[in-house]
Formats: sequence, structure tokens, C-alpha cells
Amino acid sequence: KAGVTQTPRYLIKTRGQQVTLSCSPISGHRSVSWYQQTPGQGLQFLFEYFSETQRNKGNFPGRFSGRQFSNSRSEMNVSTLELGDSALYLCASSLAGARTYEQYFGPGTRLTVT
Amino acid sequence: KQEVTQIPAALSVPEGENLVLNCSFTDSAIYNLQWFRQDPGKGLTSLLLIQSSQREQTSGRLNASLDKSSGRSTLYIAASQPGDSATYLCAVAKAMDTGRRALTFGSGTRLQVQP
Repeated sequence: KAGVTQTPRYLIKTRGQQVTLSCSPISGHRSVSWYQQTPGQGLQFLFEYFSETQRNKGNFPGRFSGRQFSNSRSEMNVSTLELGDSALYLCASSLAGARTYEQYFGPGTRLTVT
Repeated sequence: KQEVTQIPAALSVPEGENLVLNCSFTDSAIYNLQWFRQDPGKGLTSLLLIQSSQREQTSGRLNASLDKSSGRSTLYIAASQPGDSATYLCAVAKAMDTGRRALTFGSGTRLQVQP
């Protein structure tokens, strides 16, 4: 079974631009969560989508948004990029209905804002 | 607000040593605790998951324990190998149903195993 995939793997953007990152969960997983990892703040939860609905949101500004499609694939969007948005963005999928709620992570998208 | 702390921040040991990584959390109302491994610039690999009702989990040379009441977990690595060199992260999930997929992470322990 294929793991969580994220595209693109690397991205360079200019301050003020917007960016869209994509995540395809493990087949059968209906929950997708997004995390930001930076050297200063570590790993922080952004939001979680389940059945095309945002179920949870972390403490990030409204410039960070996401959505989930009917096939469970998810995208996150960052508008008006700032230098501080440079980070590794990780998504994780989880099997709905599983008691463990175990999270499986993708390889991440490395975003550099210049 | 849940806070997760991992000590030590970095650890360097010779090959073959047994070692213990520590994780503590402030709010004992957790659903589970996961230990992950992260290689430089890569994603996270799940190592062990302990449900709040469990005391420990084992996988090969790894053993994780959980003491929910005291807010502590340890990851024990037996007979360490150079291939174990990585950053180890622990993360907790809230007990509330709506929060179980929003993990709170520690800052990690960077492990270097010297050949």
C-alpha cells in the first residue's frame, strides 16, 4: 500500500506570493492533518480535515487555509507569503474509525520564501 | 494548553549502548502518545503508539512506556546502532474526540550513535 505522498517536494517562492501544497493520503484514510515544522517553533498543528470538513484548527493566521476533496486528497494554501513561512510542511493521514487514531506522515514539502 | 518536553535535547553515545529518551507532558488528559523518528530533512516515521490505557509497547529493540498520571513517557533503545542516528519526537493526542488527530509535539532528542 502506498504511503502518504506530498507534492511538490521543494518550492521556492517570493514574499507576497501565494502557494498551494498537495497531500494524498494512504488509500482508505479519510482524515488529513497538516503540520508546520520550523527550527524555532518545532512541529505545530495547522488543521485537520475529515470528510471534506475542517474538524480542527491550530493557532495560525487566516493566511493559512486548506480544503479536502471527495477522494480525501487535501490541499493547503498560504497567501501573502512572509519570510517566516519558510518551513517543512508535513501532512499526515489517519484511518477514520480506527481506535488508535495513529497518524502516518508524508515526506513533506520544503517551502523557502525569499 | 498541552506542553510536551523532551530531554535531553541531544545525545551522543557509542555503538552498542542502551539508552533512554524522556518525554513529559503537562495535561494528563491524553488519548495516546506516539514516538516518531525523523531523519534530516525527511518526514516522520512512526515507531510506537501507546494508548492511554496501556503501560508500554515494544517493537524490536524499542520499548516505550507511559505513566499517564505523572505525565511521562520513556523510549528505551537497546543495543544502539549507527543507523539509529536521527531525531526522536514524541507527540500526544488529546482525549477529546475532536482533538485526537491534532498532535502536540515535543522539540525532539537528536541522537548520534558513534561507530
